[in-house]
Amino acid sequence: AQKVTQAQTEISVVEKEDVTLDCVYETRDTTYYLFWYKQPPSGELVFLIRRNSFDEQNEISGRYSWNFQKSTSSFNFTITASQVVDSAVYFCALSDLMEYGNKLVFGAGTILRVKS
Amino acid sequence: GAVVSQHPSWVICKSGTSVKIECRSLDFQATTMFWYRQFPKQSLMLMATSNEGSKATYEQGVEKDKFLINHASLTLSTLTVTSAHPEDSSFYICSARPPQELLYEQYFGPGTRLTVT
Repeated sequence: AQKVTQAQTEISVVEKEDVTLDCVYETRDTTYYLFWYKQPPSGELVFLIRRNSFDEQNEISGRYSWNFQKSTSSFNFTITASQVVDSAVYFCALSDLMEYGNKLVFGAGTILRVKS
Repeated sequence: GAVVSQHPSWVICKSGTSVKIECRSLDFQATTMFWYRQFPKQSLMLMATSNEGSKATYEQGVEKDKFLINHASLTLSTLTVTSAHPEDSSFYICSARPPQELLYEQYFGPGTRLTVT
């Protein structure tokens, strides 16, 4: 069973549009961590954010924002006013102790294409 | 800080040969390193966890005799793909965890693209 679900395989938007990437996770542990990574065409993973299960505050970093809702086991990522440089594959990941021994479990990824 | 390097960044080898990929933590000591494989247009899949000075722990379905992992020092782990075949062509990514960090932290290398002809 998939523990991190990124239902959107690919999203295409026009520059300056807002876009939200969905992430739904599954864990029985009460302590866990959620991550978002960006993988541009070069292949190198770029860390974007880490959030622990006890901190449900939404976070904003420039054009990026994250909405963490434990009630729906979701950790969605929004890019405001998208730019061509945002084109990449975005991965949501989960790490917990009980089920995964603090290993990172990645979702399938969402390809974001931003057109000018 | 927290820089992880991989060498080589890309490699082409002939079927049947072995190839070694190095993963180094440049500015910290890593008691634990992870090796991932990523096929085109797919996600990262954990292959194995290596702890310095001990044998690696392989994920289910990963052939330990084919993918040899050595974590001989706190800054270096190597992955050797033995008797490589075209189906081993993939993007291999390592990550490293510093001992003083909480257990969830990993720093990723830039990846190594392996092509087996």
